[in-house]
Amino acid sequence: GQNIDQPTEMTATEGAIVQINCTYQTSGFNGLFWYQQHAGEAPTFLSYNVLDGLEEKGRFSSFLSRSKGYSYLLLKELQMKDSASYLCAAFTGGGNKLTFGTGTQLKVEL
Amino acid sequence: DTAVSQTPKYLVTQMGNDKSIKCEQNLGHDTMYWYKQDSKKFLKIMFSYNNKELIINETVPNRFSPKSPDKAHLNLHINSLELGDSAVYFCASSQPISTQPQFFGPGTRLTVL
Repeated sequence: GQNIDQPTEMTATEGAIVQINCTYQTSGFNGLFWYQQHAGEAPTFLSYNVLDGLEEKGRFSSFLSRSKGYSYLLLKELQMKDSASYLCAAFTGGGNKLTFGTGTQLKVEL
Repeated sequence: DTAVSQTPKYLVTQMGNDKSIKCEQNLGHDTMYWYKQDSKKFLKIMFSYNNKELIINETVPNRFSPKSPDKAHLNLHINSLELGDSAVYFCASSQPISTQPQFFGPGTRLTVL
């Protein structure tokens, strides 16, 4: 079966750095996506990792370790607008299937 | 605007009714999906179609029937609606390549009374 775990909630301060972890156990793993979802809106794509290592995109970076079944999303210079749910999703084998974690609700405070 | 669009945005209906949600994408993608997001915000794949062919059917009750008239459209028809069907339904599309992200529509909030 597919299992993806993320913390349910996190709180951080504006201007700080926060790391959101994700562990996964899936069959036929083909990569890991991170999505951002603001309340009442659609998920939007943030980053993708298929090889081990760090991918950097502006204030957001994502890391993957395939051997450990582990990924994290790093958000730097936090802004109030970064308050949202962050969804980790594993891409598995057939049919372009994305299996999502339950999401981490991030609250950015002053 | 290039995007994934869904109609309606809100749908309130009585138990036992039949309803449809429409989805269209103008991104030129070959693959389209339906997801259900429940009250706990868990996003789960229901169906995917690649070029009008059903690829994924995730043990969804057969009251749910997707239809893809062409690769730019994927509609979802739901028969005999139940209280537990209340959720937000998202349509998405992508190219059928693992490295390509899925792009989501704005969602349809279905409330069954």
